[in-house]
Amino acid sequence: DAGVIQSPRHEVTEMGQEVTLRCKPISGHNSLFWYRQTMMRGLELLIYFNNNVPIDDSGMPEDRFSAKMPNASFSTLKIQPSEPRDSAVYFCASSLRGNSGNTIYFGEGSWLTVV
Amino acid sequence: RKEVEQDPGPFNVPEGATVAFNCTYSNSASQSFFWYRQDCRKEPKLLMSVYSSGNEDGRFTAQLNRASQYISLLIRDSKLSDSATYLCVVNAQGGKLIFGQGTELSVKP
Repeated sequence: DAGVIQSPRHEVTEMGQEVTLRCKPISGHNSLFWYRQTMMRGLELLIYFNNNVPIDDSGMPEDRFSAKMPNASFSTLKIQPSEPRDSAVYFCASSLRGNSGNTIYFGEGSWLTVV
Repeated sequence: RKEVEQDPGPFNVPEGATVAFNCTYSNSASQSFFWYRQDCRKEPKLLMSVYSSGNEDGRFTAQLNRASQYISLLIRDSKLSDSATYLCVVNAQGGKLIFGQGTELSVKP
């Protein structure tokens, strides 16, 4: 079975450029999460969706970050304009809310470097 | 105070050792609890859920103390392949999963 699919896997971009990260959750899952991981702060929840609706975006660092989920099989995380401090691994994860324990499954991550 | 706090690492242990990781959480309304494992440069993966009565999966034992808001993971007879970062995860209200900073384990021959 296909897991969570993220693209791009790696991106290097210049400060000020727009970055768009993409995610396809596991088919049938109705919750989707965007996390950011850095050495300093560990794994931080940025935003999560239930049934394509954003439920909690309190982790989004600032207005430069935005996320959308236009349908059940696709989500984007956009950074505009990007800054060097945005360099991190961005993970998308999905789960079937309501199953026992809400286990979430992660994609392989998008490794972003802003220079 | 962080919502989920873990033992700082790294833990360096010899093969065959028993090692324990601890985790505390701040939200008393938290509903479910997990341990995830993350290998270097990989995504986190579920190791095991943590149940109120405690649970065991082979060499791994997880315990939950709701009164103290404390979770633990015990690894017995550690293997080289157990080397990884172990993440404590708490499901806060509304399905929001909060991860601890992680504890790095290095098992040496």
